Amino acid sequence: SQQGEEDPQALSIQEGENATMNCSYKTSINNLQWYRQNSGRGLVHLILIRSNEREKHSGRLRVTLDTSKKSSSLLITASRAADTASYFCATVLNTGFQKLVFGTGTRLLVSP
Amino acid sequence: GAVVSQHPSWVICKSGTSVKIECRSLDFQATTMFWYRQFPKQSLMLMATSNEGSKATYEQGVEKDKFLINHASLTLSTLTVTSAHPEDSSFYICSAPPVEANTGELFFGEGSRLTVL
Repeated sequence: SQQGEEDPQALSIQEGENATMNCSYKTSINNLQWYRQNSGRGLVHLILIRSNEREKHSGRLRVTLDTSKKSSSLLITASRAADTASYFCATVLNTGFQKLVFGTGTRLLVSP
Repeated sequence: GAVVSQHPSWVICKSGTSVKIECRSLDFQATTMFWYRQFPKQSLMLMATSNEGSKATYEQGVEKDKFLINHASLTLSTLTVTSAHPEDSSFYICSAPPVEANTGELFFGEGSRLTVL
C-alpha cells in the first residue's frame, strides 16, 4: 500500500499547548498536503508543501518536509478547543496524475 | 473557496436495495471527481476516479458493477451502491480539484453516511 503512516494515532493536549503530528510516506511525491476533518464531516485543505520546499507556515500552522526521510510534520501552535479534529496528510505522487493518497490520520483532542 | 455539495448527507436502506449519492461542484466545473470511502476511525480510501463523458477508473479491489459511477455533466457525478449489504455501510466522500489548480489540492463534499440494515 502506498498509504502514509501518521503518528501519533491520537493526541490529547490542553488549550494553549502545541500539537505536533508526523507523517511518513513511501514513494516519491510531487507535493504533500495536510487536511483536517471534523467528526462526521468532509475534509478541509489546510496547507500544501511542494517537494522542493522544506518548511511552510500558515497562521498557527507550520509544516516541514524531509524528502530524504520521506516524512513531514504538522505543528499547530497555541492550540484551541476548536482545533479538535482528525488531521490527515496526503501525498500527490510523481506519476503525472493528480491523485491523493491519504495517511492514517491523527485524532487531536484539545481540552479547554 | 470552491464548494462541493453532496447529497444525501445520510441514508438508511434495507439490504438488497440500491442507493444513489450525488456530488455537485457548485461554482466551478469539474471534469474529474474522486470518490472515497471511510470506515469509522480510519483514513480515506480512494474508490474510483469519475471522468466527465467517459468511464470511471476504479481502484484495485473495488467492484465496478457494485459501485456504479456516472459523471454526466461537468458539475455532477453520482455514485450508486447497488444491492447494498451491511458491509457497504460507510462514509462516502466525493471531492473535486478546482480547474485552475494543478497541485492535487481537492475540495471535498460533506460526505454521505450510508447505513445498510
